[in-house]
Amino acid sequence: DQQVKQNSPSLSVQEGRISILNCDYTNSMFDYFLWYKKYPAEGPTFLISISSIKDKNEDGRFTVFLNKSAKHLSLHIVPSQPGDSAVYFCAASDSNTGKLIFGQGTTLQVKP
Amino acid sequence: DSGVTQTPKHLITATGQRVTLRCSPRSGDLSVYWYQQSLDQGLQFLIQYYNGEERAKGNILERFSAQQFPDLHSELNLSSLELGDSALYFCASSPWPEMNTEAFFGQGTRLTVV
Repeated sequence: DQQVKQNSPSLSVQEGRISILNCDYTNSMFDYFLWYKKYPAEGPTFLISISSIKDKNEDGRFTVFLNKSAKHLSLHIVPSQPGDSAVYFCAASDSNTGKLIFGQGTTLQVKP
Repeated sequence: DSGVTQTPKHLITATGQRVTLRCSPRSGDLSVYWYQQSLDQGLQFLIQYYNGEERAKGNILERFSAQQFPDLHSELNLSSLELGDSALYFCASSPWPEMNTEAFFGQGTRLTVV
């Protein structure tokens, strides 16, 4: 049972345009959501997070939107840069169980 | 450099064998997490230790075990290895016990079971 799903395995975007990465979840008890970025041969690095009490969190070019009624979150990168090309994982945390569940990842390619 | 060190980087072993993966967390971090990433899969949470005690358990097989030592480094022991155990194993650390905070990942250990 996949509680966190990233339905798009890959996304290709032109440099300077917006990248939108999507993530859906099934567990209504999730109360924190995080995005990690992973380059080849490296471990994931934290990008941005959002609490379930918010619907938007922004950090520079990165904005995460949370729609609790739809159990959906998205990561917007504006403007996209070639250095953003990586695998992006969304993750959801349930404070009651103390576990963090990751999605399968979306590979973003930003073309110059 | 995340400050988290995992050794070895690569490991090739035969089915039925036992291996130990080692993780040194960032200085001062009390939480250590272990994750498994199989081919085309997301990161599967295995287990978390906080200040030497097991705090949370995920989908960790009975053939696998872990511990965190007084100096806070951690080891993941995998025994009776099967072909399906071939994966990237990541260790992460953070200062806090909660998993909803930023964690710092090592570069991973790639385990190949032949």
